[in-house]
Amino acid sequence: AQSVTQLDSQVPVFEEAPVELRCNYSSSVSVYLFWYVQYPNQGLQLLLKYLSGSTLVESINGFEAEFNKSQTSFHLRKPSVHISDTAEYFCAVSLSGGYQKVTFGTGTKLQVIP
Amino acid sequence: KAGVTQTPRYLIKTRGQQVTLSCSPISGHRSVSWYQQTPGQGLQFLFEYFSETQRNKGNFPGRFSGRQFSNSRSEMNVSTLELGDSALYLCASREGLDSNQPQHFGDGTRLSIL
Repeated sequence: AQSVTQLDSQVPVFEEAPVELRCNYSSSVSVYLFWYVQYPNQGLQLLLKYLSGSTLVESINGFEAEFNKSQTSFHLRKPSVHISDTAEYFCAVSLSGGYQKVTFGTGTKLQVIP
Repeated sequence: KAGVTQTPRYLIKTRGQQVTLSCSPISGHRSVSWYQQTPGQGLQFLFEYFSETQRNKGNFPGRFSGRQFSNSRSEMNVSTLELGDSALYLCASREGLDSNQPQHFGDGTRLSIL
């Protein structure tokens, strides 16, 4: 079975500074990887996903994540954060192929400080 | 397309009561999953339904049950409520069961047990 670890429960960062939210997964077979974002009082929204192909994936609001198979990581980065990026971010993993359960990490709260 | 709709948004119950939560998936989506979200435990998987059949189940007691109707709408029921059942309950839908399909979440039902 797969698992996913988000080591940082909270990450404070000043506005316009860069940020990296870490995600590591455990699986011996191919996986699909997802990042979701949850704003206060809302459900989760898909931010970006890695299925295959280019290991660097980008979202429309400036976030990017890189799939690193050797380090079993899928860290989320943004070169310059805004106040509006304050939210909780969840990494998720699923084994590839057919029907597989999705496993979510415990989440990282990003707090952008003005 | 309308998003995933969950009703009600907020609910207050007392210990020992039972509750039913409703979820209408995105039109055309046949899979519905339910999650419990709490500050301490993060996102915990309850169950997933597809074509009115439960396909997967998390590690929750039998007090938690669900069902899916022919129009893909889903309900979950919690009987004999306990204080620890206070949580945000999230519903998510996707087109099918392929693991490369991301989930689309509703805004949740916040259940408070007094």
